[in-house]
Order: sequence, then C-alpha cells, then structure tokens
Amino acid sequence: DAGVIQSPRHEVTEMGQEVTLRCKPISGHDYLFWYRQTMMRGLELLIYFNNNVPIDDSGMPEDRFSAKMPNASFSTLKIQPSEPRDSAVYFCASSLELPPAGEQFFGPGTRLTVL
Amino acid sequence: AQSVTQPDIHITVSEGASLELRCNYSYGATPYLFWYVQSPGQGLQLLLKYFSGDTLVQGIKGFEAEFKRSQSSFNLRKPSVHWSDAAEYFCAVSNQAGTALIFGKGTTLSVSS
Repeated sequence: DAGVIQSPRHEVTEMGQEVTLRCKPISGHDYLFWYRQTMMRGLELLIYFNNNVPIDDSGMPEDRFSAKMPNASFSTLKIQPSEPRDSAVYFCASSLELPPAGEQFFGPGTRLTVL
Repeated sequence: AQSVTQPDIHITVSEGASLELRCNYSYGATPYLFWYVQSPGQGLQLLLKYFSGDTLVQGIKGFEAEFKRSQSSFNLRKPSVHWSDAAEYFCAVSNQAGTALIFGKGTTLSVSS
C-alpha cells in the first residue's frame, strides 16, 4: 500500500486566498483525521471522519476552515479566506479503528505558508 | 482534561550513548499511551503503545518505554542511539472513549558523532 497520500506537499499563498489541501487515506481505513502542527500549539486534531461522516469537528479553529470527505478515498481541508496565522503543517491520518485499538497512519503533511 | 507534557524541547546525545525521553501525562483513569517519531519531512510513525499489562513496552527500532502510574510518566528509552534516530519524538494519550490522540509538544533529538 502506498500509505496516506497528501497533496500538495508545499503551498504558498497570499492572505485572503482560498487554500485546498487533499488527502487519500489508506484503502480500507474507516477513519480519517486532520491535524495541524505549529510551533506554538504543537500537533492538534482539527476534525475526524468515520465512514465519510464528520464525527468531531470541535478542533476546527473557525468558520474559515471546512473539511469534506465525499467518498472513502478522498478528503479535503479548505481554508477560505486564508490568513498568515494559518501557516502550519497539516497532516492527514487514517486508521481502521479509533485509538487506542487502531493505529493511526500519517501522511507526509502539507506545509502551508500564508503571506 | 487529558494532557501530555514533554519537558525537554531538545536533547543531544552522542552516538552509541543511551537515551531517555521524558513524558508526563494528566488523566484520571488508566491512560492509553503512545510514542511516535517524526523524521524530517515525514509524517509520524508509531514506535510503541501501552494499553495495559506489562508496564515495560517494547517497540520498533530498539525502543522501549516504561509506564509508571505513581509518577504519571511514560518515558521512552533506547540503550544505544544511532545517528538515524535523530528526529522529533511525540508522546500521546488517548482515553477509553476513543477520542483521537492528544499529543505533547515533542522533543527534538540530535545525535552527535
């Protein structure tokens, strides 16, 4: 298996622009997670899906952030409009089950820079 | 609420020397604990996990961790560090309700020759 795939790996955009991050989970995994990693706050869970349905989005910072999972093999995280404080590395992870039983497999991340 | 503290932001160890990375957690019940490693430009990889039973847990790449309830700690150890172990290490906790992982801020390990 190719593992969790994220694209793009790097994104540089200007404040106010829309940004879309993409994730392809490992085939057969029912859970998908979006995390954000910053120096100040570390690694934080933004949202997770089970069978394509959002279960917990309490970590989404504000309405500018939205996430979708239209099918079992694809998810997007969108920021509109983007702001400099959104600059971070965004990770997608997938698992067969929720923790602790299910091991989360992480993608390589998307490094977002908002100028 | 659960939380994880990794007191050391950055540690440098000589190649071949032993390593211990500290992790303290805050949680009312029996925690489920994890250690992940993140190499530069890569995602996180699970090293080991503790659910119950033997408090000394063996993981991949020669790592082990010991759960000490009295100290609320789950320290990661390796007897002999290799240059390839240079990376960032994260301790995480999950509760029995199955919410997703809560991570510490991480410890960056540098290995000197």
